[in-house]
Amino acid sequence: QKEVEQDPGPLSVPEGAIVSLNCTYSNSAFQYFMWYRQYSRKGPELLMYTYSSGNKEDGRFTAQVDKSSKYISLFIRDSQPSDSATYLCAMKRTTDSWGKLQFGAGTQVVVTP
Amino acid sequence: DTAVSQTPKYLVTQMGNDKSIKCEQNLGHDTMYWYKQDSKKFLKIMFSYNNKELIINETVPNRFSPKSPDKAHLNLHINSLELGDSAVYFCASSRNGDTEAFFGQGTRLTVV
Repeated sequence: QKEVEQDPGPLSVPEGAIVSLNCTYSNSAFQYFMWYRQYSRKGPELLMYTYSSGNKEDGRFTAQVDKSSKYISLFIRDSQPSDSATYLCAMKRTTDSWGKLQFGAGTQVVVTP
Repeated sequence: DTAVSQTPKYLVTQMGNDKSIKCEQNLGHDTMYWYKQDSKKFLKIMFSYNNKELIINETVPNRFSPKSPDKAHLNLHINSLELGDSAVYFCASSRNGDTEAFFGQGTRLTVV
């Protein structure tokens, strides 16, 4: 069993809908939680990261961490066709360097006009 | 200007060949990485260098040998290529090991 589980999708939503993505994990020592966006044939780019539990909002994006359930979520409000991409969650322990991130498999999101 | 650039973008080669992938970053970062992304999009760290020194070496066959001639470059040489080496290889860099990594566009390697 992988340490980080993520449904690969694809997840298809109409433009303007809310996109809801999530990951579950098994290692309770994870403290840093990230979401990356990867467009087709491109490298991943960091969208947002949170430390420990709680919510973080950045424009149309909201990240939530529930450490008690070992569950993290990313919500995209007012989705646009330009949001069509693969979204990868990643996480690490406080003592790990950034190179020790554990990634989920990524969820492909398609926003249709 | 591209921050992290890799060459080539695509590489098709036969089993048994030896090939190299080059990576350069112009961000002035001290740490560079090689990641492998398999067909299921699963991204895994292979190597990490800090100021030309190897600091992460995950369980990777020794057919893979990274080389950092200076802190702006990290190349990956692969000997005796196998079908299972087909994947997208990403180079990345970060200011140091504790900050966000910026990824290159990837090298899509296909071994036939």
